[in-house]
Amino acid sequence: KQEVTQIPAALSVPEGENLVLNCSFTDSAIYNLQWFRQDPGKGLTSLLLIQSSQREQTSGRLNASLDKSSGRSTLYIAASQPGDSATYLCAVGGFTGGGNKLTFGTGTQLKVEL
Amino acid sequence: EAQVTQNPRYLITVTGKKLTVTCSQNMNHEYMSWYRQDPGLGLRQIYYSMNVEVTDKGDVPEGYKVSRKEKRNFPLILESPSPNQTSLYFCASRKGLTGNTIYFGEGSWLTVV
Repeated sequence: KQEVTQIPAALSVPEGENLVLNCSFTDSAIYNLQWFRQDPGKGLTSLLLIQSSQREQTSGRLNASLDKSSGRSTLYIAASQPGDSATYLCAVGGFTGGGNKLTFGTGTQLKVEL
Repeated sequence: EAQVTQNPRYLITVTGKKLTVTCSQNMNHEYMSWYRQDPGLGLRQIYYSMNVEVTDKGDVPEGYKVSRKEKRNFPLILESPSPNQTSLYFCASRKGLTGNTIYFGEGSWLTVV
């Protein structure tokens, strides 16, 4: 059974700092990995999607990497801003159900302070 | 605008009173699913559907039913809600079977007393 762990559970940084969020998973047989952002009382917004054949994806100040063999992904946020404050979730796409199963981590709650 | 719309957004109900949470997407997506989010447990899949009239159980299907009679709609039915179904529920959709970005609704807060 796939298990996804995110460390740390919470993180507070000053504005402008570069930071890394970590995601690890136990089963390397995955279709893809997605990083999401969740704001309080809101749904999830997809940030980056990495297919299993890819090593990384970039969008603006965000860069996500994937190392399938070691079961790890990182989300790098450059020059953090207060507007980046949110909970960040990673989800691994597995083969169960025809490739439709997403297993989520419990998230890292990020606070960027002025 | 691409959207996944859930209703109601907030609901307090009593044990045993049947309720339905509706979900509709306007992107012509084949795949739709329901998740529940609980503190410390993350999001867990309840049911998913790969197309009209095709549904299957996720990790926590007990106490829930779904139907997919139309491509755009995927309602979640709680026939006899119990307090352990108090949770935040999310509907999601995606084009095709795998490999594409998944879109989430804004969530439905359900409290069963």
